[in-house]
Amino acid sequence: GNSVTQMEGPVTLSEEAFLTINCTYTATGYPSLFWYVQYPGEGLQLLLKATKADDKGSNKGFEATYRKETTSFHLEKGSVQVSDSAVYFCALGGSQGNLIFGKGTKLSVKP
Amino acid sequence: GAVVSQHPSRVICKSGTSVKIECRSLDFQATTMFWYRQFPKKSLMLMATSNEGSKATYEQGVEKDKFLINHASLTLSTLTVTSAHPEDSSFYICSARDLAGGPGYNEQFFGPGTRLTVL
Repeated sequence: GNSVTQMEGPVTLSEEAFLTINCTYTATGYPSLFWYVQYPGEGLQLLLKATKADDKGSNKGFEATYRKETTSFHLEKGSVQVSDSAVYFCALGGSQGNLIFGKGTKLSVKP
Repeated sequence: GAVVSQHPSRVICKSGTSVKIECRSLDFQATTMFWYRQFPKKSLMLMATSNEGSKATYEQGVEKDKFLINHASLTLSTLTVTSAHPEDSSFYICSARDLAGGPGYNEQFFGPGTRLTVL
């Protein structure tokens, strides 16, 4: 069945460091792919999405490219800030309109 | 943008009581809402899919008699935790899909979550 695998955390970085959070998926067809972010004590917010191969989603300096050949949707940011500290979830869209989430990666950015 | 609210944001109750959590889509209509449970340092576990005007579809292992879901309108779904026990303490999050997105449209808008503590 469809599934999402993302890198285990936690990830701890210094401010202005480069961030990569790996996400790979297993799916039939060409699902939409998403990154959601959860700040402490809050619900999830959509960070970015891509709906077809080679699409690049971007928002708030974060980017992820839908790579069909490697079944990946890695999240990147060139220079992280303390305010980016959160848990990041990779997800793919199921055929029933549902979302299938990865286990989440906690990011801590130190000043 | 699409906004989903949850009420209450935090609730503390005694063991054996029932707790109702509301999930509302504020500026769009949602045929489908989803209820998740999140344990500390864990991912979201989908509990059930709530469809307006029909019975909810529960995931395997989720007791439908314990977690009652009602989706009475296109903007409101409720989750009632019946006879709550300390092991039901968790963070419950709802999400909604915009009806305008059409079948198979996956983007979901999430509520801020409800922290339930059962004493």
